[in-house]
Amino acid sequence: KNEVEQSPQNLTAQEGEFITINCSYSVGISALHWLQQHPGGGIVSLFMLSSGKKKHGRLIATINIQEKHSSLHITASHPRDSAVYICAVVRSQGNLIFGKGTKLSVKP
Amino acid sequence: EPEVTQTPSHQVTQMGQEVILRCVPISNHLYFYWYRQILGQKVEFLVSFYNNEISEKSEIFDDQFSVERPDGSNFTLKIRSTKLEDSAMYFCASSPDRDYGYTFGSGTRLTVV
Repeated sequence: KNEVEQSPQNLTAQEGEFITINCSYSVGISALHWLQQHPGGGIVSLFMLSSGKKKHGRLIATINIQEKHSSLHITASHPRDSAVYICAVVRSQGNLIFGKGTKLSVKP
Repeated sequence: EPEVTQTPSHQVTQMGQEVILRCVPISNHLYFYWYRQILGQKVEFLVSFYNNEISEKSEIFDDQFSVERPDGSNFTLKIRSTKLEDSAMYFCASSPDRDYGYTFGSGTRLTVV
């Protein structure tokens, strides 16, 4: 059983649409990361959060610790947002457990 | 903005050979990690390193693997006697604190033939 589950696995949107990617986890965590991985493979950290909500530009991340659930929202999506978005939870030793990722494609 | 640097970006090696993947973490970071991603699969934790010793390792990180911080700046992952299934993207990451954000390197794509 995967400790970190993401949905959907694949998502196609039209430019300008509001996008939501969900993450559920089944283990105790100290924090949660949302990461972005581009086709070349590099990983960029978007957010690290342990409670509430964070916003950066058109990206918003929320977490509900009691429900063990987090969401990543993208407002006014753009083709350059096309990437794989990965949820990863932080264990007590600091290492990450990754979800399988959500492949987002935004069409112009 | 400070970066985590990984070299080489791509390495091809013959099965059975030893490889060393190199990483230069951000200078004031104290926690270092290696992760790998087999093509088409999720990223997996290999090992974490703090205070010049391994702090945690996964079941993947067996006797074939070792890590070192030889000179206070580089952080290396050695894979002895490589197997075909070691082909993957290997990511180094560093963090100033366990409760702080990560910075990932751009990865080394290892191909074992």
